[in-house]
Amino acid sequence: DSGVTQTPKHLITATGQRVTLRCSPRSGDLSVYWYQQSLDQGLQFLIQYYNGEERAKGNILERFSAQQFPDLHSELNLSSLELGDSALYFCASSVGTDTYNEQFFGPGTRLTVL
Amino acid sequence: DAKTTQPNSMESNEEEPVHLPCNHSTISGTDYIHWYRQLPSQGPEYVIHGLTSNVNNRMASLAIAEDRKSSTLILHRATLRDAAVYYCILRAVYNFNKFYFGSGTKLNVKP
Repeated sequence: DSGVTQTPKHLITATGQRVTLRCSPRSGDLSVYWYQQSLDQGLQFLIQYYNGEERAKGNILERFSAQQFPDLHSELNLSSLELGDSALYFCASSVGTDTYNEQFFGPGTRLTVL
Repeated sequence: DAKTTQPNSMESNEEEPVHLPCNHSTISGTDYIHWYRQLPSQGPEYVIHGLTSNVNNRMASLAIAEDRKSSTLILHRATLRDAAVYYCILRAVYNFNKFYFGSGTKLNVKP
């Protein structure tokens, strides 16, 4: 158990809909990262937050957005969902933003768009 | 961005050492080399990282070439629980701390 929690575990929805994925980082970790893992693209970095502020952006679509709240939990919002958005979404946390900081990954949320 | 190249798959016998190679010929001087692994149906987990010198921890050893263009993750005695996809990742100091996972090496451990 990494100490990172993600809810829900599974989510099934329809095209065009909007969903919110939630992540609670390990106690004491200020950085939160979001990743998408699909069969054809592998593990892709989406976005990073540190202590409530956006720090880095990866391959995140404009239809996706995220935020980190004062209690440090984070939410990833996915809107106008398409079939291709079906994937595993992982959240990870680390103490800080230093290059050598270990990232702890949650168990993931499996999103299925029908 | 600096990329890594790993074999798609490798096989090992249980209780034997495993050497997982990674090429990163475009590595820059400030890139850290990280290894993560992903067990089936789980999120990735940290294994080890290094900059220039070889590193050891309770899980594995990391051997880094003198020119840093390649590295090798060493599992000293493979167990069935070590069957996973192993990712070699370069983490750039001046690239907004992005983490790029390649396709990784799928390790199969035979009893």
